[in-house]
Amino acid sequence: DAKTTQPTSMDCAEGRAANLPCNHSTISGNEYVYWYRQIHSQGPQYIIHGLKNNETNEMASLIITEDRKSSTLILPHATLRDTAVYYCIVRPSGSGNTGKLIFGQGTTLQVKP
Amino acid sequence: NAGVTQTPKFRVLKTGQSMTLLCAQDMNHEYMYWYRQDPGMGLRLIHYSVGEGTTAKGEVPDGYNVSRLKKQNFLLGLESAAPSQTSVYFCASSYDGTRRYEQYFGPGTRLTVT
Repeated sequence: DAKTTQPTSMDCAEGRAANLPCNHSTISGNEYVYWYRQIHSQGPQYIIHGLKNNETNEMASLIITEDRKSSTLILPHATLRDTAVYYCIVRPSGSGNTGKLIFGQGTTLQVKP
Repeated sequence: NAGVTQTPKFRVLKTGQSMTLLCAQDMNHEYMYWYRQDPGMGLRLIHYSVGEGTTAKGEVPDGYNVSRLKKQNFLLGLESAAPSQTSVYFCASSYDGTRRYEQYFGPGTRLTVT
């Protein structure tokens, strides 16, 4: 499975865009990038995923570089409620996979007033 | 919809006691999962189920058993609790196919074994 590397922590001012980077230089051509977050003491929450193209939903945008070796999760207008640990996960390839998610250490995003 | 619910929210056990954690989902999901999360660590998959009546081992299955007698419920059992099983347990569910990685998580059960 492709390994991901994320900064340990980041700060962001409330109302500003939060840009969370992730490196996945060993990703293979058919592996997706998923983002989850975990607000303190809660269960993880799915945010977004993508393969090659940029993706946007009501929560965030995902920008994947052309060589697919890195990606950035963008929260366009961060609020205090976005303070959480954000996990970048590369989905294992193959149809026989269980749905197992491998959560690393993630990035702790602190949104400050 | 309640989504994914877990019972109980908190529990303290003594070494050697047994207990069952209940997970329920009302989204008609095929897949269900049990993870554990230890302090400062990511989640690790204990057992999972790809449909009613099926179960399979995950990454750290030892000391746990599971059952999926009904599609909406997934039970995690500890037959003889050990202090190493002190953790936060999360249940999750998902659709099958390519959406199985879009998992919906419950609020967690905080278990302490003394």
